[in-house]
Amino acid sequence: AQKITQTQPGMFVQEKEAVTLDCTYDTSDPSYGLFWYKQPSSGEMIFLIYQGSYDQQNATEGRYSLNFQKARKSANLVISASQLGDSAMYFCAMREDTGGFKTIFGAGTRLFVKA
Amino acid sequence: ETGVTQTPRHLVMGMTNKKSLKCEQHLGHNAMYWYKQSAKKPLELMFVYNFKEQTENNSVPSRFSPECPNSSHLFLHLHTLQPEDSALYLCASSQDFRGGGRVETQYFGPGTRLLVL
Repeated sequence: AQKITQTQPGMFVQEKEAVTLDCTYDTSDPSYGLFWYKQPSSGEMIFLIYQGSYDQQNATEGRYSLNFQKARKSANLVISASQLGDSAMYFCAMREDTGGFKTIFGAGTRLFVKA
Repeated sequence: ETGVTQTPRHLVMGMTNKKSLKCEQHLGHNAMYWYKQSAKKPLELMFVYNFKEQTENNSVPSRFSPECPNSSHLFLHLHTLQPEDSALYLCASSQDFRGGGRVETQYFGPGTRLLVL
């Protein structure tokens, strides 16, 4: 059964520093996708970055990068040069290629960026 | 980003009321989703429609009734809800191509915050 684990309920980071948000997953499907979303207090889930299980390189999108370690089943999100606007909830999610339309989400990590 | 819109943004209703949530996507996608997000719980998938056909019903109580008249619009009809149904209801859409090793990204709307009294 697919499962997503985010072990950090809350994280603090100083403005302009980098921060890593942890995500581990479990699946028996060789083909899957991993996603990170940001949810500010307004509620909208904002897509940040995607990593496919067959992608050879780690995904990057601007200040976001995904540290994908397939053998360890981890997909950590790295945010470089943190900004005050990065304060939000961050969710890791996974969808299996053979799992129909189901995407499962982790419990989330709340990030606080300090000035 | 206004690719997926939801109305209303906030809703307060009594347990005997009937109301509907609306979602519209302008991204040309063919799959639409309803999720429920309760406090301190992971996001829960409720329903999925692909090309207007329901493909997932995640054991949702019948007091929630989805409707998908076309690939751009999705409704969630609510009746005789319970206080524990108070939550943020999120709509999402995606372009779904099966196989090929790529799983399509879901894009979310801003959500409807529902309070059931």
